[in-house]
Amino acid sequence: DADVTQTPRNRITKTGKRIMLECSQTKGHDRMYWYRQDPGLGLRLIYYSFDVKDINKGEISDGYSVSRQAQAKFSLSLESAIPNQTALYFCATRSSQGGGKETQYFGPGTRLLVL
Amino acid sequence: GEDVEQSLFLSVREGDSSVINCTYTDSSSTYLYWYKQEPGAGLQLLTYIFSNMDMKQDQRLTVLLNKKDKHLSLRIADTQTGDSAIYFCAEKRGRGSGYALNFGKGTSLLVTP
Repeated sequence: DADVTQTPRNRITKTGKRIMLECSQTKGHDRMYWYRQDPGLGLRLIYYSFDVKDINKGEISDGYSVSRQAQAKFSLSLESAIPNQTALYFCATRSSQGGGKETQYFGPGTRLLVL
Repeated sequence: GEDVEQSLFLSVREGDSSVINCTYTDSSSTYLYWYKQEPGAGLQLLTYIFSNMDMKQDQRLTVLLNKKDKHLSLRIADTQTGDSAIYFCAEKRGRGSGYALNFGKGTSLLVTP
């Protein structure tokens, strides 16, 4: 079984709809991240969370919100979806242990299309 | 954040070596990473290098780090068609950015028979 799972894997929605993307991890990591990938732009950070009570905005948080329901779960919501939020969304996790060499582990991604 | 720069495309013949170059932004970055993304798939960590190293070799992969020029490269020896993918260079940000990764735009590697 995958260590980092994302649901749904694909989603089509309409402009103005509220949607939630979910991420779960079994790695026991305390840190979780949401990134967005657009063609030719690489990945950009939306939100990150150091633990359940510590949530922070990334570089492109406008139009998004997050919820860390438990250490293992980190959800991303689009309050009112717009077409330029069409992208591939990745969740990632990382441990705060390991002396800094711990890398991030990525989920398989959620492909979102906003019509 | 500032841009991590990579060339966008690279085409090589099967059996040749591939070299993907990257220029990163933060001279204090402690770890630098290479990720691979195959079509329709997520990100797979290929390798990483700590900033006090100049080189790291892992089977067909060789990473070279030039801290003075903030230049990172990934060499793939004996490139195979299965190596065709997008390769991302990434640097680890500081605590103020949650130790998130700052990615380049990716280099699309095409391996032809």
